Amino acid sequence: KAGVTQTPRYLIKTRGQQVTLSCSPISGHRSVSWYQQTPGQGLQFLFEYFSETQRNKGNFPGRFSGRQFSNSRSEMNVSTLELGDSALYLCASSPLGAGNYGYTFGSGTRLTVV
Amino acid sequence: TQLLEQSPQFLSIQEGENLTVYCNSSSVFSSLQWYRQEPGEGPVLLVTVVTGGEVKKLKRLTFQFGDARKDSSLHITAAQPGDTGLYLCAGPYESGGSYIPTFGRGTSLIVHP
Repeated sequence: KAGVTQTPRYLIKTRGQQVTLSCSPISGHRSVSWYQQTPGQGLQFLFEYFSETQRNKGNFPGRFSGRQFSNSRSEMNVSTLELGDSALYLCASSPLGAGNYGYTFGSGTRLTVV
Repeated sequence: TQLLEQSPQFLSIQEGENLTVYCNSSSVFSSLQWYRQEPGEGPVLLVTVVTGGEVKKLKRLTFQFGDARKDSSLHITAAQPGDTGLYLCAGPYESGGSYIPTFGRGTSLIVHP
């Protein structure tokens, strides 16, 4: 059973640019969540998608957006990149939502903004 | 304000030692999960505890959920270098009618050979 696949693994972008990250969840998992991980703040929840609909959203500015396709694959987009957006972006999938049972995480995309 | 406070923040020990890390909250959680994250990788789910007072064992790792479901602990017996990593606790936080897992900031463990 394939795990959660995130692409690309590493990315370097310039301030002001935009970036799109991709996540393929475990087959059959309909819930995909995104987290930002930094040394100072730990894991911060960005948003959750379920059956192509955004079900929950964290406290991030509108520059952060996402979507989910009919095959459950998800993308997140960050526009007008800032230096502070440098982080490890993690995608996590679960059958119906993490709820009480936790996630399966991908290996992450390491984004560096210069 | 962190809903889940983890302590200690850092731990550096020798192979063979025992250790305990803690995850505390002022809120009641319906469950708590523990993850381990190695450098450059995503967190890997170790265990979920659901019932107050529950104890679960995973080889040399023992997880306990507090009776009031506000805290949890992870005890490692005879630590090995392979136990090195960031240990994270997480629990579902009710927001807008659904539950979002919220994470503590983690305990970074280094086990020296």
